[in-house]
Amino acid sequence: QSALTQPASVSGSPGQSITISCTGTSTDVGNYNLVSWYQQHPGKAPKLMIYEGSKRPSGVSNRFSGSKSGNTASLTILGLQAEDEADYYCCSYAGSPTYVIFGGGTKVTVL
Amino acid sequence: QVQLVQSGAEVKKPGASMKVSCKTSGYTFTRFGISWVRQAPGQGLEWMGWISAYNNNTFHAQNLQGRVTMTTDTSTSTAYMELRSLRSDDTAVYYCARDYLVVGGTRFDYWGQGTLVTVSS
Repeated sequence: QSALTQPASVSGSPGQSITISCTGTSTDVGNYNLVSWYQQHPGKAPKLMIYEGSKRPSGVSNRFSGSKSGNTASLTILGLQAEDEADYYCCSYAGSPTYVIFGGGTKVTVL
Repeated sequence: QVQLVQSGAEVKKPGASMKVSCKTSGYTFTRFGISWVRQAPGQGLEWMGWISAYNNNTFHAQNLQGRVTMTTDTSTSTAYMELRSLRSDDTAVYYCARDYLVVGGTRFDYWGQGTLVTVSS
């Protein structure tokens, strides 16, 4: 099964909002409410930002939100800040026999 | 606080095996699962597999069929991932991450620091 499809890069100016899409199929993103999003700074381990589609772990800024429509999940970052510059990955449950699949990653640049 | 501390970097020859450990603390080990995720240099994240720390039930990625074994030691709250018949494209940073007690929750809420494994002749 191929990776979930994400744009390679998204950019925005400080204070702007951006949205990263994550497109799957009816056998993964579209079939389960089990999409998560991870932020990864260079040389660091990923950090959970959103789970179960739209839930935010304790300590994650409310500028980050998740949603889903059909086979596409989205991560929105409001009020872009310099510290948001990182790679972002979506992840979805895909059932047997694939189980878990990641997106290819999106590099977010703060202009 | 929750911590996952992985073993150190390794250099392996093609055809050899590797075993990475992930020592956990700060939570009840058997109430969660552990997923293993790897990242080749300059590439994205790849899920390798999941193990229940409660009953050692496992699921793994199809492309690793027959080469990967995940285990746990509840006496030390440590998870292990062994990968055999190493190839150059197994060169990656390997991460362990705390997960749900059922596969597929994709809620990897705490991560180890990563272990770089280099496969080279």
